[in-house]
Amino acid sequence: GAGVSQSPSNKVTEKGKDVELRCDPISGHTALYWYRQSLGQGLEFLIYFQGNSAPDKSGLPSDRFSAERTGGSVSTLTIQRTQQEDSAVYLCASSLDSATYEQYFGPGTRLTVT
Amino acid sequence: AQSVAQPEDQVNVAEGNPLTVKCTYSVSGNPYLFWYVQYPNRGLQFLLKYITGDNLVKGSYGFEAEFNKSQTSFHLKKPSALVSDSALYFCAVTLRGNQGGKLIFGQGTELSVKP
Repeated sequence: GAGVSQSPSNKVTEKGKDVELRCDPISGHTALYWYRQSLGQGLEFLIYFQGNSAPDKSGLPSDRFSAERTGGSVSTLTIQRTQQEDSAVYLCASSLDSATYEQYFGPGTRLTVT
Repeated sequence: AQSVAQPEDQVNVAEGNPLTVKCTYSVSGNPYLFWYVQYPNRGLQFLLKYITGDNLVKGSYGFEAEFNKSQTSFHLKKPSALVSDSALYFCAVTLRGNQGGKLIFGQGTELSVKP
């Protein structure tokens, strides 16, 4: 079946612009996660959704970052007023539910802020 | 706080030889442990997990890992390496009962298997 998909695959933006990153989880997966992968920081958790609610936002690095999930499916990660340190690969993952723990990852969105 | 350490940035192995990629963890409770692999320009792929039960878990592509509670380790192993195993490997932990199951990752180990 279809895996987790993310769009765009690559995004180049100018410093100060807003960007939206999209994640389509595996159908039927109620839990959705965003992570960030960068050279200096490795793989970092950003936010977790169960259904449309986000019980854990502890990894969001600043108030410039926000995310939402609608219909228990698609999620959008928004970064406002992008900074160069936001450059990274943003990974989305989903799992059947939060108790399953086995997460399936998308291919990621590579964000470059110039 | 939970943390994961992968002490080797890179592991080099000859094809056909056994391989080990090391992982140790630090948590304040009972852990769930995972290994993921990342091939170039691709997302992470799940390899195996330890939840409970037998300390030796078997996963995809002939990989296995042993949970050692006393040494707080979860090393990844394979009896005979293939060139196609060359990739970036991540160990991860989450805490049993942790709401949501967010993963805490190690820094990754680059495995290089030479013919």
